[in-house]
Amino acid sequence: EVKLEESGGGLVQPGGSMKLSCAASGFTFSDAWMDWVRQSPEKGLEWVAEIRSKANNHATYYAESVKGRFTISRDDSKSSVYLQMNSLRAEDTGIYYCTGHYYGFDYWGQGTTLTVSS
Amino acid sequence: DIQMTQSPASLSVSVGETVTITCRASENIYSNLAWYQQKQGKSPQLLVYAATNLADGVPSRFSGSGSGTQYSLKINSLQSEDFGSYYCQHFWGTPYTFGGGTKLEIK
Repeated sequence: EVKLEESGGGLVQPGGSMKLSCAASGFTFSDAWMDWVRQSPEKGLEWVAEIRSKANNHATYYAESVKGRFTISRDDSKSSVYLQMNSLRAEDTGIYYCTGHYYGFDYWGQGTTLTVSS
Repeated sequence: DIQMTQSPASLSVSVGETVTITCRASENIYSNLAWYQQKQGKSPQLLVYAATNLADGVPSRFSGSGSGTQYSLKINSLQSEDFGSYYCQHFWGTPYTFGGGTKLEIK
């Protein structure tokens, strides 16, 4: 059974930092491209970042809205992917999903909620 | 960035009816399109990839079609479990933008 479990969300003040983690199981993690997607009532579903497999040199890509502030990383030995978020803004508020990308976003976690507010 | 325009935004239908949701890309995405279903309070689930291929376990009443900039998701003989929101997403390079969604409600 495929499982993606996010953790690390919560309440943070504007300008603060937060790190999200996602633990994966049930599929060959090292072969998968992994993405973070967020969802809010205001913006709907929004792709945030991607990290590709070792075969693709762990290349990373970011949405323009988070470039320079967020960093995606992975640890294939732990089947985990991370999202380090700095200089957080109110508009970063939302549910953050970890996804496993094969044909589409084939696998999704249950999501973790980030609230950026003073 | 490629914009994805999805229509309609909402649809009120009865069990047993057939519905079609459309998605238009701002440029040719060469069938690099996926459809997702999301139920209230749950994460999205992949339904269709590469415009026409059903994901594992997806019932055959779902079908995807289209090419170029125009794509459709068709649901034949709607079942009660099909109500929820549907989203398209392109994969023709990052950023992978989503459509605004279609909320399917029971009439």
